[in-house]
Amino acid sequence: ILNVEQSPQSLHVQEGDSTNFTCSFPSSNFYALHWYRWETAKSPEALFVMTLNGDEKKKGRISATLNTKEGYSYLYIKGSQPEDSATYLCASPSPGANNLFFGTGTRLTVIP
Amino acid sequence: DAMVIQNPRYQVTQFGKPVTLSCSQTLNHNVMYWYQQKSSQAPKLLFHYYDKDFNNEADTPDNFQSRRPNTSFCFLDIRSPGLGDTAMYLCATSRDRGGGAGETQYFGPGTRLLVL
Repeated sequence: ILNVEQSPQSLHVQEGDSTNFTCSFPSSNFYALHWYRWETAKSPEALFVMTLNGDEKKKGRISATLNTKEGYSYLYIKGSQPEDSATYLCASPSPGANNLFFGTGTRLTVIP
Repeated sequence: DAMVIQNPRYQVTQFGKPVTLSCSQTLNHNVMYWYQQKSSQAPKLLFHYYDKDFNNEADTPDNFQSRRPNTSFCFLDIRSPGLGDTAMYLCATSRDRGGGAGETQYFGPGTRLLVL
């Protein structure tokens, strides 16, 4: 079992504000870090898969960074919009495992 | 177009009454997964199929079974649901195994199960 933690648990921001949240994971035997966005009543959608220390990935206004030595990843949203409201999940596989261990997610609400 | 479909989206069942949840995929992926997510908790893997090879997680209760009759379909059977089985059940697929290699999983929208 891999302990993946996310903070904060929930977050409310005003439209237009930028925000970020954290995923932490064991730094030993790191393989990969996945970010998913899960909008209510929809399917979780893959955002990023990151494997290298120092990786930075971007998709529109959303970006993520990875620090495998200290065991954390940040997800940033620039200029939040109401459509960004969702639960953001991160996940990491344990060595040799074929499955992903998920965090509990950060629930983001963007207030118009 | 939906790639991973789950039916039903909502299911209410009685304590002890067997229930089957369905998942189908149009991606032709080799691997299919079933996750359980209870309120405020992380999604937890129950089992996965690699092609026809069934892989059960060590702590998955015997009450939970799965069938994969072909590449496209996978079912989750709960033989005697208890109140504690109330949860969201997510189906996912991936082209191959190996989340560590960065293998992306594609999810369905989930079935929300309520056991009364």
